[in-house]
Amino acid sequence: GAGVSQTPSNKVTEKGKYVELRCDPISGHTALYWYRQSLGQGPEFLIYFQGTGAADDSGLPNDRFFAVRPEGSVSTLKIQRTERGDSAVYLCASSLTLSGSAGEQFFGPGTRLTVL
Amino acid sequence: DQQVKQNSPSLSVQEGRISILNCDYTNSMFDYFLWYKKYPAEGPTFLISISSIKDKNEDGRFTVFLNKSAKHLSLHIVPSQPGDSAVYFCAASEVTGGFKTIFGAGTRLFVKA
Repeated sequence: GAGVSQTPSNKVTEKGKYVELRCDPISGHTALYWYRQSLGQGPEFLIYFQGTGAADDSGLPNDRFFAVRPEGSVSTLKIQRTERGDSAVYLCASSLTLSGSAGEQFFGPGTRLTVL
Repeated sequence: DQQVKQNSPSLSVQEGRISILNCDYTNSMFDYFLWYKKYPAEGPTFLISISSIKDKNEDGRFTVFLNKSAKHLSLHIVPSQPGDSAVYFCAASEVTGGFKTIFGAGTRLFVKA
């Protein structure tokens, strides 16, 4: 079956522009996560959805970052007024949430965002 | 504040020998721990996990050990194979508080043939 897909794979933008990053999770997975990974670092949690609702958005760095998952499947991470410091690989993951377990997360290949 | 720490950025091991990757955490509320493996240009892939009610979990060549009193876990790979060369991330979550997962910075493992 298809894994988690992310589009685009690469995005180059100019400082101050708006970008949208898309994630298609594995069909049937109710949980969806966004992470940001900078060079030499591990994935940094941004936001977690359970169904359509953002269950935990405590990792979003500021109000320029926003994510939606309107139908409980595809999610879009939106970044307004991009800054050079936003340059990173943005990873999406999905999982089946199981009672009593965090559940294995399945990651997409990531979107590499470069802000010039 | 790094809640999950992997203090060794890299590790080199001879093929056939044991690889031991270490991870320390500071948040005593973490109750579920995972190891992920990452190849270049790919997303991390799940390797093995352990609940805080256990101190060991084994899956083939991979074993994870958890020492809750020391807030330390380790991943053992025996025997190591060249295909194991990758970056390994330790991760932890507080299940009762939701599924927010905190990752370490990773350890790059080189297995020499």
